[in-house]
Amino acid sequence: NAGVMQNPRHLVRRRGQEARLRCSPMKGHSHVYWYRQLPEEGLKFMVYLQKENIIDESGMPKERFSAEFPKEGPSILRIQQVVRGDSAAYFCASSPPSGVEQYFGPGTRLTVT
Amino acid sequence: GESVGLHLPTLSVQEGDNSIINCAYSNSASDYFIWYKQESGKGPQFIIDIRSNMDKRQGQRVTVLLNKTVKHLSLQIAATQPGDSAVYFCAESMDTGRRALTFGSGTRLQVQP
Repeated sequence: NAGVMQNPRHLVRRRGQEARLRCSPMKGHSHVYWYRQLPEEGLKFMVYLQKENIIDESGMPKERFSAEFPKEGPSILRIQQVVRGDSAAYFCASSPPSGVEQYFGPGTRLTVT
Repeated sequence: GESVGLHLPTLSVQEGDNSIINCAYSNSASDYFIWYKQESGKGPQFIIDIRSNMDKRQGQRVTVLLNKTVKHLSLQIAATQPGDSAVYFCAESMDTGRRALTFGSGTRLQVQP
């Protein structure tokens, strides 16, 4: 049973470009969460999605950031017009419909130059 | 506001000794707590969880203790091994549908051979 998959593992973008991060949850999991981690810090919640629905986006910056989890395909975290402060590790987690345990992917490390 | 914090940023132990990692939380409404292990360059790995209706839960070589009176959580690792070296995070959630995890800042465990 494959775990949570994230790609790319490393992403380099210049200031002003767009970054797209993808997350495929574990098989049978319908809940997806995105977190951001700065070096030497804990993870900060960004958004919680179910298929075709955003359940909680209280941790998402108001501008430039968006997330989706379509009926088919992976969840996407999109960052428009990236700035250096967006450089971080972005982790996706998934959980089953009936549980609360969140299982994390390996993360995408975004570097903005 | 909600916050989860750790008392010790770094813990150094000898191989074979027992380790205790502590965590304080401030949201008395939290009813679900999790410990994660994060190795360098990897995503958080689920270790053990506990609900607020319990005060102790045991896994393989690990035990989590919850003291709701003083809002304190601890992770005990028996017979610590070099492979246990990592950063450990506690996280809390309210299992009322919101499901976002609030992470502490982490404790680095260093196991000396």
